Amino acid sequence: EAGVAQSPRYKIIEKRQSVAFWCNPISGHATLYWYQQILGQGPKLLIQFQNNGVVDDSQLPKDRFSAERLKGVDSTLKIQPAKLEDSAVYLCASSLGFRVVSGRGVTGELFFGEGSRLTVL
Amino acid sequence: AQSVTQPDIHITVSEGASLELRCNYSYGATPYLFWYVQSPGQGLQLLLKYFSGDTLVQGIKGFEAEFKRSQSSFNLRKPSVHWSDAAEYFCAVGDSGGSNYKLTFGKGTLLTVNP
Repeated sequence: EAGVAQSPRYKIIEKRQSVAFWCNPISGHATLYWYQQILGQGPKLLIQFQNNGVVDDSQLPKDRFSAERLKGVDSTLKIQPAKLEDSAVYLCASSLGFRVVSGRGVTGELFFGEGSRLTVL
Repeated sequence: AQSVTQPDIHITVSEGASLELRCNYSYGATPYLFWYVQSPGQGLQLLLKYFSGDTLVQGIKGFEAEFKRSQSSFNLRKPSVHWSDAAEYFCAVGDSGGSNYKLTFGKGTLLTVNP
């Protein structure tokens, strides 16, 4: 089973420039998450999709961040314009949600990609 | 809202020594608890999870964790640490489900293993 794919792995930009990150979740996972992980901190949820609809974007800085999940599969997270404090690793995760799966018991874990590391100079 | 506290920012142990990483959670209902590990430059890998039942759960790589409701804790343990266990460890709590099911993470504990 293929895992969560993210690109690019690394990106360096100057402040006020724009950047976009792409995520392809595990096949069949309806729920997709974008987390921001600043150095020395735990992941913080930015936005959550259920299929192609937004479930929670309360922590997303909407003046500069945007995200979409067209057709309920791939997702793109965009930052425009970037600030110095946006330097972080952007983690994409997908999940089946919280449910009982035949032969596998109770699920609920998130599966993470390797992340996209952004440096803003 | 749920929250997770990992009191230890950084722990150093010698290879072969035992390990315990602390995690305390705050959640009003039955918590769903997880431990993830993150190696440098990598994403998060699930070590183990607790939903209900036996309060001692076994995970991958020889790790185990014990859920103690009275202490609101879910500490991670390993009897003998290997050099390859050096990484950052995150405890997380999931809410009760529904369409907005999500995980809230602690700030992490960085584990250093001395030879």
